[in-house]
Parts: sequence; structure tokens; C-alpha cells
Amino acid sequence: DIVMTQSPDSLAVSLGERATINCKSSQSVLYSSSNKNYLAWYQQKSGQPPKLLIYWASTRESGVPDRFSGSGSGTDFTLTISSLQAEDVAVYYCQQYYSTSPYTFGQGTKLEIK
Amino acid sequence: EVQLVESGGGLIQPGGSLRLSCAASGFTFSIYNMNWVRQAPGKGLEWVSYISTSSSTIYYADSVKGRFTISRDNAKNSLYLQMNSLRAEDTAVYYCARVGATSWHFDLWGRGTLVTVSS
Repeated sequence: DIVMTQSPDSLAVSLGERATINCKSSQSVLYSSSNKNYLAWYQQKSGQPPKLLIYWASTRESGVPDRFSGSGSGTDFTLTISSLQAEDVAVYYCQQYYSTSPYTFGQGTKLEIK
Repeated sequence: EVQLVESGGGLIQPGGSLRLSCAASGFTFSIYNMNWVRQAPGKGLEWVSYISTSSSTIYYADSVKGRFTISRDNAKNSLYLQMNSLRAEDTAVYYCARVGATSWHFDLWGRGTLVTVSS
């Protein structure tokens, strides 16, 4: 199984500042034939289901604010929120879909306001 | 409105069975692969099972293999999860999640249904 490890487990950032969450996979999720990274990011606010933010490691889902961006390739990925807003308080998960049996998620990163 | 609505959760004793349902609306259910994902209280996301559009391909997490059965009825726009031999560690919110049309990420999630396994 591909193990996804996020860092840090929790993060406190001031409003308007940059937030950075890292995700590392135990093996590459870059599919060579398509040159695409099979990596997604989800946001889960308290009491709500997860919401897709980013897929193919860097493609923003429709309707997601452009302060959210994804980067990285191979085994190391980053989700960046360029200017933290109060509504961004949530738990963020990375997910690999290079292997669909099983799909695997990172353990989650809790983002709070400092 | 495009949505997924889960139902069927509740309190069940260890060793018991439960059947979850997920009703899809607002989109052509039959052309999307589907999944069940669960989240134990205060914990992270755990993928449970996958089913392809025609039910020809099915996968399970090792933790539920042999106990859970995923199925779908495209005529009824519905996804199901039959859960047998339930254990305390199966206690979780169960979400159904749609696989994106052009990728393999999950682009639509239901609000979930809570399953509590306890005596």
C-alpha cells in the first residue's frame, strides 16, 4: 500500500499569512505515461464532509479560491494557502489515487488561526 | 441539485448487520464509479470500498474484506454497502463518494451516515 504522511499534524497561522502543508508518499504517484501526479487535496470543516480542493497535484477544482494552490511531484507535495482567511479553518487531507486498491489518505493536518 | 444522500446508519450490536444506502441525484449516476469512505470519531479518512460503473470491478479495504459487500442499482441511482459481522472498530461516519469523470479523485461526497457498533 502507498502510505501518505502529512506534516505538520497541526498548524496555527495568523490571518492573512501563508499556510503550508506537506504530504509525502511512500512511493512515487507520478504516472509516467501521462506525466501526471495522482494526488488530491481535500478540506474538511467541522461537522461537514470532505470537499475536493486540488487534483492532479496542482489543478484547482472549480469554485475553489485561488489562494489555494498545490505543487510538487513524485513523492513530495505541498498545499499552500497564500493568505489565510477565517473560513479556511479545517482539517486538510492529501490522497493518492495512483493505486485505487487501496486508495490512501494522509492522516490529516489541522489548521487553526493564531 | 447534484448530491449524494446516505441513509441506513444507526446503533447496532457487535456481530450484527446493517445495510447503508446512498441516493444520487442531479447527475447521471450510471456513468460514475463510486466509493464508500469512513471516518471514525475524531479520526482521519479511511477508504472502504470501490465499485465501477457496471459493477464489474470491486475493491475492498483489507479491514472489511469478507464482511462488507458493495453494490449498486443504476436504475435506482443508488449505491449500497451491506455490512456483516460488525465490530466496535467499524464505528464511524460512512460517506459515499463519487469518482471524478476524468480522474480518480473523489469530486462529490455525501454528508455521511453514522454507524455505531456497541452493546
